[in-house]
Amino acid sequence: ELKVEQNPLFLSMQEGKNYTIYCNYSTTSDRLYWYRQDPGKSLESLFVLLSNGAVKQEGRLMASLDTKARLSTLHITAAVHDLSATYFCAVEWVGGSQGNLIFGKGTKLSVKP
Amino acid sequence: NAGVTQTPKFQVLKTGQSMTLQCAQDMNHNSMYWYRQDPGMGLRLIYYSASEGTTDKGEVPNGYNVSRLNKREFSLRLESAAPSQTSVYFCASSEKRGRDFNSPLHFGNGTRLTVT
Repeated sequence: ELKVEQNPLFLSMQEGKNYTIYCNYSTTSDRLYWYRQDPGKSLESLFVLLSNGAVKQEGRLMASLDTKARLSTLHITAAVHDLSATYFCAVEWVGGSQGNLIFGKGTKLSVKP
Repeated sequence: NAGVTQTPKFQVLKTGQSMTLQCAQDMNHNSMYWYRQDPGMGLRLIYYSASEGTTDKGEVPNGYNVSRLNKREFSLRLESAAPSQTSVYFCASSEKRGRDFNSPLHFGNGTRLTVT
């Protein structure tokens, strides 16, 4: 069974600071997704990481994947208030008849001035 | 472009009542999913449909049934609602999944269900 753990679960940051969210998973997978959810809203796809060493960047967010360590990171550079949201990683479980996404519990990010 | 549309947005049920959550996508996606989101639990897969005509159980299928009515529509039914089913339900769709396919899920706006 695939387990996905994110940490921290809560993160309060000051504007302008850097921080990293970690996503660990328990079994082999080479596909990992990051999503953002604003309060009361749906989930929006941020990044799709498909191979070991993959790195994607969009604005102040950068995601990477290390399949050997079963670890993905979401790095936030010079945080701004607009980045306040809950961030989920999801790992594709290819052990079954088709790939399904198993989600972490989410990291609630609050960026304060 | 509507994407994934869920109805209703909000629903209150009494224990033992039944209801169906509707989901439709207009992106010509093959795969559709139902997730529930509970505080501190992330999203958990209830059922999915890899393609029209097929459905399979996810992590938490008990108490639910699904129907893949056609390629566009995937409904979730609660036959006898229980307070433990109070949650936010999300429908999602994606292109065909498998070894050579890896598109992200596209989510609807959710249905907030309360069972009293």
